Amino acid sequence: DVKVTQSSRYLVKRTGEKVFLECVQDMDHENMFWYRQDPGLGLRLIYFSYDVKMKEKGDIPEGYSVSREKKERFSLILESASTNQTSMYLCASRPTGWEDTGELFFGEGSRLTVL
Amino acid sequence: AQKVTQAQTEISVVEKEDVTLDCVYETRDTTYYLFWYKQPPSGELVFLIRRNSFDEQNEISGRYSWNFQKSTSSFNFTITASQVVDSAVYFCRSNYKLTFGKGTLLTVNP
Repeated sequence: DVKVTQSSRYLVKRTGEKVFLECVQDMDHENMFWYRQDPGLGLRLIYFSYDVKMKEKGDIPEGYSVSREKKERFSLILESASTNQTSMYLCASRPTGWEDTGELFFGEGSRLTVL
Repeated sequence: AQKVTQAQTEISVVEKEDVTLDCVYETRDTTYYLFWYKQPPSGELVFLIRRNSFDEQNEISGRYSWNFQKSTSSFNFTITASQVVDSAVYFCRSNYKLTFGKGTLLTVNP
């Protein structure tokens, strides 16, 4: 079975801290994604990566950056956390190429609270 | 803009009732894909079904069925004889820019 693992289920950080959210998948998928989920807003795409060292902005990249140094790992970075980044963050991976015809495999999510 | 609309924010039913979750999509493409996902309280989204624009046949999987109608740009999901374990947030998605609908929270009460 495909496994997408997010390093932390729950995090509490302070405003201004640098935050790393880690995601690892074990099925050699090329594509990886970071979403945030907020009540009433659904899932919104932050960044995605089609391959190692490649990244593309999603719909809401402001305040975030990402890193994909290895195929299996995709990190989301909050350079200076703010309270409006309190949210549930979901990582996903997918085995297809450029054409989006495949299902996404999701991790269990990381609930971040910024105080 | 091409997007997916799930107009029902929350639905509450009693166990054994049938329930339909609506999904309306917009697209200018002739080839496109639509998906449904389930997010139980544990948080992990689970893929349920994918449909491409050339296949309008309805799909049935146990108590779940999907009705794809290009004429109304809808891809609705029906749960027959709902159970408490069906309680979850359900998301519809299109392949346009990896866009999800806002989700419908389904609560099935015993």
